[in-house]
Amino acid sequence: AQSVTQPDIHITVSEGASLELRCNYSYGATPYLFWYVQSPGQGLQLLLKYFSGDTLVQGIKGFEAEFKRSQSSFNLRKPSVHWSDAAEYFCAVLNMDSNYQLIWGAGTKLIIKP
Amino acid sequence: DGGITQSPKYLFRKEGQNVTLSCEQNLNHDAMYWYRQDPGQGLRLIYYSQIVNDFQKGDIAEGYSVSREKKESFPLTVTSAQKNPTAFYLCASTGRAEAFFGQGTRLTVV
Repeated sequence: AQSVTQPDIHITVSEGASLELRCNYSYGATPYLFWYVQSPGQGLQLLLKYFSGDTLVQGIKGFEAEFKRSQSSFNLRKPSVHWSDAAEYFCAVLNMDSNYQLIWGAGTKLIIKP
Repeated sequence: DGGITQSPKYLFRKEGQNVTLSCEQNLNHDAMYWYRQDPGQGLRLIYYSQIVNDFQKGDIAEGYSVSREKKESFPLTVTSAQKNPTAFYLCASTGRAEAFFGQGTRLTVV
């Protein structure tokens, strides 16, 4: 069955430090992958997506993600985090075998230390 | 601006009452979804609709009902059969393989 795993429930980083959030997926075919961000009490906003082509994808707010088929991963990175990046981050894969549903990871909460 | 509007933002319900959460979109999307979000559990799919007058149960449909009489609207009713309705509810629609979300409704049972 298709699934998405975000192994880290919480991550704490200092402001200005680099960030990497992990995402592993299980999907038989070429995956369509997404990262979304959710501020407290808000809806989700798309950060970036990968469909095909260059495996390093640039998104909004200075985020990027790299698709690695050999590792079934789509990790999100940012070179230097800002306090405003504190939020919850969700990875998702599009299940094209079942009505094009998005399969979601459980999310990673990012905490920024001053 | 195109988008998804959920209302109300906060909703309080007495035990045994049905309540309806509103979701309206002007993105001209065919597919719409309702998710429930609880702390540490990510998004769980309640119902989805791929087209007007048709909808399908998601993973946690028990205690919920929906309708899709218009393309723009996909209201969710939380019935008294839902034993633990306190949660954050998110409505979404999809177009070009991207999901767009409303701002959510926080439902609390009092």
